[in-house]
Amino acid sequence: EVQLVESGGGLIQPGGSLRLSCAASGFTVSNNYMIWVRQAPGKGLEWVSLIYAGGEVDYADSVKGRFTISRDNSKNTVYLEMNSLRVEDTAVYYCARIVTAIIMYWGQGTLVTVSS
Amino acid sequence: DIQMTQSPSSLSASVGDRVTITCRASQNIFNYLNWYQQKPGKAPQVLIYLASSLHSGVPSRFSGNGSGTDFTLTISSLQPDDFATYYCQQSYFTPPLTFGGGTKVEI
Repeated sequence: EVQLVESGGGLIQPGGSLRLSCAASGFTVSNNYMIWVRQAPGKGLEWVSLIYAGGEVDYADSVKGRFTISRDNSKNTVYLEMNSLRVEDTAVYYCARIVTAIIMYWGQGTLVTVSS
Repeated sequence: DIQMTQSPSSLSASVGDRVTITCRASQNIFNYLNWYQQKPGKAPQVLIYLASSLHSGVPSRFSGNGSGTDFTLTISSLQPDDFATYYCQQSYFTPPLTFGGGTKVEI
């Protein structure tokens, strides 16, 4: 059974840093496209970052230069390192697996609140 | 980047109603269009992929149509479990993966 479990969210002050983790089971992250999607309170879905099976990465313009996606193949885990956090980064962050261009599997989400 | 525009942003309906949601892409995306359902406090779940293919386990009252720039999601007979927010997402010009703004279906 495919499972994605996010962790690492919390309350952080503007300008701070946080690292989110996404532990995967039931499949191998290094063979798949993995993404982070976020949802601000009461708002829609926003793609944040993507890591390809080959290890290439990509980011939304809103987080480029501040966020870094990576993975640890030995732990079958994907990470999102978030620096220089802003109030507008407040959101539930979902980790997800793409299968044939479909966001097929989603984690339960982890809430990041950026506030002073 | 491709822009995805959904309409309406919300609608009120009753059990048994036929409901149609529209999604428009700013460029031709052929049939690379997915639909998701999201319930409060939960992650989205795929309903329809490639514009009209029903994902495994999704009730047949859901259907998708369209190609190019204009797409629709139809619920033929609204059920209590269908009150949720629906999002379209294009998968042709990616990244970035882009979503529509969402349509909240409520009573």
